[in-house]
Amino acid sequence: GESVGLHLPTLSVQEGDNSIINCAYSNSASDYFIWYKQESGKGPQFIIDIRSNMDKRQGQRVTVLLNKTVKHLSLQIAATQPGDSAVYFCAESQAGTALIFGKGTTLSVSS
Amino acid sequence: DTGVSQNPRHKITKRGQNVTFRCDPISEHNRLYWYRQTLGQGPEFLTYFQNEAQLEKSRLLSDRFSAERPKGSFSTLEIQRTEQGDSAMYLCASSFPTAGGTVYYGYTFGSGTRLTVV
Repeated sequence: GESVGLHLPTLSVQEGDNSIINCAYSNSASDYFIWYKQESGKGPQFIIDIRSNMDKRQGQRVTVLLNKTVKHLSLQIAATQPGDSAVYFCAESQAGTALIFGKGTTLSVSS
Repeated sequence: DTGVSQNPRHKITKRGQNVTFRCDPISEHNRLYWYRQTLGQGPEFLTYFQNEAQLEKSRLLSDRFSAERPKGSFSTLEIQRTEQGDSAMYLCASSFPTAGGTVYYGYTFGSGTRLTVV
């Protein structure tokens, strides 16, 4: 079926390091991608999005990279902070249909 | 209006009972989505509305589930004859599509309603 998957279920980093969270997607027709952060007991929080006609987009301390050739999406977090500890999900959609989420990567930041 | 509001935050019910959840989206958002999330998994799409019209339903939305958005503002999700497998977090999101109906603005999620069926 069509789904979004993540390479690693957990990632542990030291405070101040850069973090890279990866995601592989299977639907080559997907044209919109989003990264979400979810803290325990809360709803997903939008981090950054990217359209399929772009390969890179930057926000504040975050960068999303899209490689359509290998259907790969990544989220880079610069100078990771303890407050970045959470579960991160990538999600995809095609032509305005509903978002499909992957299983998530748990990021743990130690100080 | 600072975000998507969901009520109640928590609901414990006995198996076989009916439950109803409410979602109030961001006021200018005309699309509203319902998702279900179980522990350790990503949110799973259930259904979505554009204004008052229900445009898509997932296969996950069994006959026991019904969603409404009568005036194109708030929405309700009802589960009839609840089962233990219905225990999950139910999330609501809203969005504002760009011209042509394609959503390029990130969805905004509420904090969810956690349902426990005992």
